[in-house]
Amino acid sequence: AQSVTQPDIHITVSEGASLELRCNYSYGATPYLFWYVQSPGQGLQLLLKYFSGDTLVQGIKGFEAEFKRSQSSFNLRKPSVHWSDAAEYFCAVGSYNQGGKLIFGQGTELSVKP
Amino acid sequence: NAGVTQTPKFRVLKTGQSMTLLCAQDMNHEYMYWYRQDPGMGLRLIHYSVGEGTTAKGEVPDGYNVSRLKKQNFLLGLESAAPSQTSVYFCASTSNNQNTEAFFGQGTRLTVV
Repeated sequence: AQSVTQPDIHITVSEGASLELRCNYSYGATPYLFWYVQSPGQGLQLLLKYFSGDTLVQGIKGFEAEFKRSQSSFNLRKPSVHWSDAAEYFCAVGSYNQGGKLIFGQGTELSVKP
Repeated sequence: NAGVTQTPKFRVLKTGQSMTLLCAQDMNHEYMYWYRQDPGMGLRLIHYSVGEGTTAKGEVPDGYNVSRLKKQNFLLGLESAAPSQTSVYFCASTSNNQNTEAFFGQGTRLTVV
């Protein structure tokens, strides 16, 4: 079955510390991978995406993610977290032959300590 | 550039009432989707459309109907609302080209009492 797992429901980090949010997927076709961020009461904003090519992708707000096919993972990283990064983060997977449909992970809520 | 616009933003329904959520996109996208977001479950696909006049079921279609009479609009209907349909509903759209991402609306928070 196709699925996306974000093992961490809630993470708290100190401002200025590094961050890694985990994402594992199970998907039969060649996957497209996405990370979205959702601030409270807001819609989803795309942070970054992977379709093909370089497995390390850069996104907005200083985020990056690395696609590791052997581990079926697409972890999100940021070297230094800012208080404004507090939000919920969603990993999603899709493919072109699925008509753009996405399967989302459960989400990871990030809290940032001053 | 408005992108994807959802109306209404908030709504409270009584059990058994009906309502329609409207999604409009101005990007000339072929594909449109309705998701629901529930705590701890991420977003789950309700119904989707790959073009004007076409619709298909997603992961959780029961209790919902949709229509895509115009390319820019995708309507989600609840014929007889139930408390289990209390959720935040998101509409999204994508083009039919490769290497494109989904654009999301701001969401509709629906409470069924």
